[in-house]
Amino acid sequence: DIQMTQSPSSLSASVGDRVTITCRASQGVNIYLAWFQQKPGKAPKSLIYAASRLQSGVPSKFSGSGSGTDFTLTISGLQPEDFATYFCQQYHTYPYTFGQGTKLEIK
Amino acid sequence: EVQLVESGGGVARPGGSLRLSCAASGFTFDDYDMSWVRQAPGKGLEWVSGISWNGGRIAYADSVKGRFTISRDNTKRSLFLQMNSLRAEDTAFYYCARHDGAAGDDYWGQGTLVTVSS
Repeated sequence: DIQMTQSPSSLSASVGDRVTITCRASQGVNIYLAWFQQKPGKAPKSLIYAASRLQSGVPSKFSGSGSGTDFTLTISGLQPEDFATYFCQQYHTYPYTFGQGTKLEIK
Repeated sequence: EVQLVESGGGVARPGGSLRLSCAASGFTFDDYDMSWVRQAPGKGLEWVSGISWNGGRIAYADSVKGRFTISRDNTKRSLFLQMNSLRAEDTAFYYCARHDGAAGDDYWGQGTLVTVSS
């Protein structure tokens, strides 16, 4: 199975900050990498697919990059509603594995 | 509007069975693969199973292989997960998701809670 390693596991930031979360795959997944946002008690929401493409309706403050094994999610101009947990997922090879998550908290 | 609504969760005994359903609307169901993903309370996401648009390709996580069976009925726009030989570690919220080959799991249901306890 492809292992997905996210870092950091938690992150404290202030409103207005820019943050970056990284995700590393144990083997190449081309650009078949998605990022999700999850708030407490809610289902995950897809933000980015194909490593860098925004899902419909997702604001441009979210951006993704990378290919192969190394990927990043960047969130600019943090607002209170952005504080949540973020997950990466590879969908290149079954099983479609997730990273362990990054909890973004308000400083 | 794309909607996915899971049902069938509840409490089961260890060794017992449950069948989850996911009703889809707002899109052409048989154009898409589908996925089941679970999340134990307070934990991360775990992909459980996936099925292609026509049921011809199916895959499972090792943790459920041989115990869970995914299926779909395109005429009823429904996805299913038959869960047998349940274990305490299967306790989780179970989500169904629409899987687009390019865009990944782009829409998710609200989840249904499965609790395995004696």
